[in-house]
Amino acid sequence: GAGVSQSPRYKVAKRGQDVALRCDPISGHVSLFWYQQALGQGPEFLTYFQNEAQLDKSGLPSDRFFAERPEGSVSTLKIQRTQQEDSAVYLCASSLGVMNTEAFFGQGTRLTVV
Amino acid sequence: AQSVTQLGSHVSVSEGALVLLRCNYSSSVPPYLFWYVQYPNQGLQLLLKYTSAATLVKGINGFEAEFKKSETSFHLTKPSAHMSDAAEYFCAVFDSGTYKYIFGTGTRLKVLA
Repeated sequence: GAGVSQSPRYKVAKRGQDVALRCDPISGHVSLFWYQQALGQGPEFLTYFQNEAQLDKSGLPSDRFFAERPEGSVSTLKIQRTQQEDSAVYLCASSLGVMNTEAFFGQGTRLTVV
Repeated sequence: AQSVTQLGSHVSVSEGALVLLRCNYSSSVPPYLFWYVQYPNQGLQLLLKYTSAATLVKGINGFEAEFKKSETSFHLTKPSAHMSDAAEYFCAVFDSGTYKYIFGTGTRLKVLA
């Protein structure tokens, strides 16, 4: 596609429910990032993939958060047993190469946990 | 570790006035610096980037930024604000050691008629 696509755009989950957020990066992009953006804050790093390898997951807030990119293209961020503090916008970004420094962001998924 | 600091969480300017949004960085190596803009309910859109070529970088929508190593700054400017510039602006640095983009806390720009 022409840009990074994320789905769903909006998700309302009941506390304790599991959710899965999808990211379709730009075709051929090697690097993929997930960020969490709380209301009124800047994006905070969650995790980074280089092709299918998850090279950094240091930003994942707890073991309830899990991300995968099994074939080096589409990625899924899964949150188990959602809590209210998980409410945020989840942004996905991709870039062409490892050291290519221009990241393209999707429109994000706004998760609201009630 | 690399970081960026944005001074001023909210900036208001009159339509037609100069826009100046401040960003200072901390880096032990030559940094890769970016400005992104975010409109309500949208993702981040790249305005411009500095990658050690020219110190004055021109971006989209009439914005530009100047890299000043002596001041560790990368301030964003636009000579004449337009109503459509109202948005949130984020300064970011790419940490080449950890492959992370590190963002500032953002500056919300309001343009007054």
